[in-house]
Amino acid sequence: QKEVEQNSGPLSVPEGAIASLNCTYSDRGSQSFFWYRQYSGKSPELIMFIYSNGDKEDGRFTAQLNKASQYVSLLIRDSQPSDSATYLCAVTAGGTSYGKLTFGQGTILTVHP
Amino acid sequence: SQTIHQWPATLVQPVGSPLSLECTVEGTSNPNLYWYRQAAGRGLQLLFYSVGIGQISSEVPQNLSASRPQDRQFILSSKKLLLSDSGFYLCAWSIKRGYRTDTQYFGPGTRLTVL
Repeated sequence: QKEVEQNSGPLSVPEGAIASLNCTYSDRGSQSFFWYRQYSGKSPELIMFIYSNGDKEDGRFTAQLNKASQYVSLLIRDSQPSDSATYLCAVTAGGTSYGKLTFGQGTILTVHP
Repeated sequence: SQTIHQWPATLVQPVGSPLSLECTVEGTSNPNLYWYRQAAGRGLQLLFYSVGIGQISSEVPQNLSASRPQDRQFILSSKKLLLSDSGFYLCAWSIKRGYRTDTQYFGPGTRLTVL
């Protein structure tokens, strides 16, 4: 069974620190990787996607992908209390997937003042 | 710009009652559409996906069904709800790009409680 694993947390960081969220996946055929943020009681919203090995930066967020190690991470710099949420890692199925994603269980992030 | 709607926002239903949840997308044509369920404190489970009108693929065998009567309308149904059907139901859409996966965008969700 194709799986996506995340530490459930909670991960607690002080305001202004770097939060590091990690995700591993089992399907070596996966080609697209996504990070979503979900506030309590709300639907997931896209933060970033990454397709190629290496780093991709967008504002305070950096996604890192290492396909050889089947590992994707999200760094949040200068963490703010408003970043407190559950972060979901999502990975495509290999082959003919028609856009299907497999989600991890999510990591709860708490940023305290 | 594209917009996705879901209704109702919340629903409380007795065990054994029927269910109909609706999702519509505006501002795009021929999208891929998806239904997910999120149980309390859990990740998202893909229930159904559709690549076109009348084309439905089921990911998890259960007492739910889905239909796509129009290009931008996706409906999730059940004839008899179970307690285990409680959860947060999310509809999502993505642009169709053949075999390549594109970003999925989620609707606001429907919170279903079965009593």
